[in-house]
Amino acid sequence: EAQVTQNPRYLITVTGKKLTVTCSQNMNHEYMSWYRQDPGLGLRQIYYSMNVEVTDKGDVPEGYKVSRKEKRNFPLILESPSPNQTSLYFCASAYQRDRVHEQYFGPGTRLTVT
Amino acid sequence: RKEVEQDPGPFNVPEGATVAFNCTYSNSASQSFFWYRQDCRKEPKLLMSVYSSGNEDGRFTAQLNRASQYISLLIRDSKLSDSATYLCAVKSGGYNKLIFGAGTRLAVHP
Repeated sequence: EAQVTQNPRYLITVTGKKLTVTCSQNMNHEYMSWYRQDPGLGLRQIYYSMNVEVTDKGDVPEGYKVSRKEKRNFPLILESPSPNQTSLYFCASAYQRDRVHEQYFGPGTRLTVT
Repeated sequence: RKEVEQDPGPFNVPEGATVAFNCTYSNSASQSFFWYRQDCRKEPKLLMSVYSSGNEDGRFTAQLNRASQYISLLIRDSKLSDSATYLCAVKSGGYNKLIFGAGTRLAVHP
């Protein structure tokens, strides 16, 4: 089954404790992206990747890191989480830059930082 | 001003009603437009693209008004299963990303 998976789905953590949210897709997509979704603000892009070893900042990259060592995986790293990073996070993938609008989203990760 | 704006709603309509949402965008260079559907606590899914000539898919019609910089989504004969949040998304030329609106919530009741 073609899908984007994220783990964990729910996470409660404390300020400053490093965490990683994994994202994996099995569709051989070149393009992958991370979003956060907050009430009234919609989906905002954190980072995206056009291909392996190619990443770039989105609109709200502060406090996040990503890596793309393999085509299928695109982990999101919070080195020192803060309460303002409490949000719903979505990973997404698309075939390639010309079809970035056809994004397939993962099920989401609900993160709470206390 | 946000790049993409939507009325958050909720739009409460009875089954069978026709309902329309608009979405305005600020960048006149925007080239591609889309509607996504998001069910409560679930991931967004692409509903349909919006072409310059309009686009119809069953009960759903999407239209683009470049002069006034907005796109619209019309749903005819609303079903209970149409209850969801509808996100508009805009892709500007040369940028490898979508800008999403905050969404319009639709609640269809019996």
